[in-house]
Amino acid sequence: DTAVSQTPKYLVTQMGNDKSIKCEQNLGHDTMYWYKQDSKKFLKIMFSYNNKELIINETVPNRFSPKSPDKAHLNLHINSLELGDSAVYFCASSRFPRTEETQYFGPGTRLLVL
Amino acid sequence: GEDVEQSLFLSVREGDSSVINCTYTDSSSTYLYWYKQEPGAGLQLLTYIFSNMDMKQDQRLTVLLNKKDKHLSLRIADTQTGDSAIYFCAEGAGNMLTFGGGTRLMVKP
Repeated sequence: DTAVSQTPKYLVTQMGNDKSIKCEQNLGHDTMYWYKQDSKKFLKIMFSYNNKELIINETVPNRFSPKSPDKAHLNLHINSLELGDSAVYFCASSRFPRTEETQYFGPGTRLLVL
Repeated sequence: GEDVEQSLFLSVREGDSSVINCTYTDSSSTYLYWYKQEPGAGLQLLTYIFSNMDMKQDQRLTVLLNKKDKHLSLRIADTQTGDSAIYFCAEGAGNMLTFGGGTRLMVKP
């Protein structure tokens, strides 16, 4: 069984569209994260949720809206997609929102905005 | 803000040792991590070290931490072609991880 799964794996869309990426973890973790990896492989945290509550919100445009319907899911909705949103988006989870807790990463969603 | 830096590229021959270096700026880091990313895949945790440790060994992997200089290294002994990947160091403080830009390791047969 996959511990942290993301759908879709690939997403190609036009500028201006709205799209969602889904993430699910079956590890029983309380904390989930979204990271963005750009074309130069830099990995930056975007959001973190603990028990369905937002605890980290880095400088991310309002067009990005995470939603956590329950502890096991953290979805990312993106409005009015722009060319610069093209990247690989990784979901991760950890038992608790503490640094010493290992974060487990999903396989990534490769988003290409045309 | 916090900054984590790594060299971009490292090339070694199969069987040699690889040493990947990382520097960080946040003195409040409590844990430091090494992750591996294979082509088209997600990040896989390799190992981590608590900030009050100097060294940690795990099979072919040795992590060295110089807290005074804020320098972290990952040594891979007997490097194999399967070790070819991008290696990210990350420092953790509070409930956040900050990643370096990744070092692409190429292992030549």
